Amino acid sequence: GNSVTQMEGPVTLSEEAFLTINCTYTATGYPSLFWYVQYPGEGLQLLLKATKADDKGSNKGFEATYRKETTSFHLEKGSVQVSDSAVYFCALSPMDSSYKLIFGSGTRLLVRP
Amino acid sequence: EAGVVQSPRYKIIEKKQPVAFWCNPISGHNTLYWYLQNLGQGPELLIRYENEEAVDDSQLPKDRFSAERLKGVDSTLKIQPAELGDSAVYLCASSQNQGNTIYFGEGSWLTVV
Repeated sequence: GNSVTQMEGPVTLSEEAFLTINCTYTATGYPSLFWYVQYPGEGLQLLLKATKADDKGSNKGFEATYRKETTSFHLEKGSVQVSDSAVYFCALSPMDSSYKLIFGSGTRLLVRP
Repeated sequence: EAGVVQSPRYKIIEKKQPVAFWCNPISGHNTLYWYLQNLGQGPELLIRYENEEAVDDSQLPKDRFSAERLKGVDSTLKIQPAELGDSAVYLCASSQNQGNTIYFGEGSWLTVV
């Protein structure tokens, strides 16, 4: 079946540190891959996406590359800010059910000044 | 452009009481979703509408949950009677068409006591 596995949090970093949040997936074919972010007390916001192998999604300094060979879509940012503190969700949309989003369990990021 | 609007934002009810959540999708979005997000987990799809038709309600617990989207725009999700385990965030989302980017509302946070 389709599933997403994320690294467990919380991830605690100092401001300006490098961020990596690991995400791997299980799916047939070529799903679309997404990162959503949920700030405290708010709903989910689409952060970035990639729809085919080797695509790189990017937004607000965050990047993730669709790696088919390792079934991964790791989220990275070169220099985090306190305002990046949030919960980050990796998700996939299966090829045969493009309307459906299957989420990982989320990774909480805490950035300290 | 206004985003997905949900109400109420927060609701506390006693068990066995009914509760209803309302959602207004982004204008022009014909696909509407209700997701359930339990604490510390990623959202899970409850039901999806294409216009006024519920095309995927396989994950909706039909003994106590119901939903409607009578005119193909706003939608209501109802729980009757509520149980303690229903305490969660109920997220509404919409997309322009199947396969397009899904946008989420801020969620309705339910606590059943």
